[in-house]
Amino acid sequence: AQTVTQSQPEMSVQEAETVTLSCTYDTSESNYYLFWYKQPPSRQMILVIRQEAYKQQNATENRFSVNFQKAAKSFSLKISDSQLGDTAMYFCAFTGNQFYFGTGTSLTVIP
Amino acid sequence: DSGVTQTPKHLITATGQRVTLRCSPRSGDLSVYWYQQSLDQGLQFLIQYYNGEERAKGNILERFSAQQFPDLHSELNLSSLELGDSALYFCASSVASGGLGSNEQYFGPGTRLTVT
Repeated sequence: AQTVTQSQPEMSVQEAETVTLSCTYDTSESNYYLFWYKQPPSRQMILVIRQEAYKQQNATENRFSVNFQKAAKSFSLKISDSQLGDTAMYFCAFTGNQFYFGTGTSLTVIP
Repeated sequence: DSGVTQTPKHLITATGQRVTLRCSPRSGDLSVYWYQQSLDQGLQFLIQYYNGEERAKGNILERFSAQQFPDLHSELNLSSLELGDSALYFCASSVASGGLGSNEQYFGPGTRLTVT
């Protein structure tokens, strides 16, 4: 079975600091895609970053970057220079034959 | 604004009733996906359509059905509604067909369904 696990239900970080959200997944496939989505209080789902499994280079989008460890099946999200607008639920997602989402990490940025 | 539209934004109905949720994908996107998000829960994939045909099915109940029309908009039909069906229902669209993740999905604002 393919699963996505986010082991940190809640996290907090001081404004301007760095925080890392964890995600692990389980699959027998060799090529797949991984995503981080952000869901602010408005409940809109917003794509943050995308990683293709066959690419060794970690994806980066401005203050957001990932640490992709394929052998360990780990896909963590690092947010640098945290801003108040980063307060949201963050979902890790994996695609196999379906799109699988983790249960989310609620991140609060503290002023 | 993702370019994906969903109507209605809110829907309140009684148990046993039937409702239809509507989704219009982004211009040029051929795939439509439906998800259910219960309160404080993650997203459950329900079903995917590509260019009018069902492409993948997830945890969709038999009381639920969907279709994608020639103009590519999609409808999710929920029948014999139960209290537990109360949730936020998202539609997403992408360019790609199979290989679900080969292109990222863009989400609509969701339809909040409340069953009383």
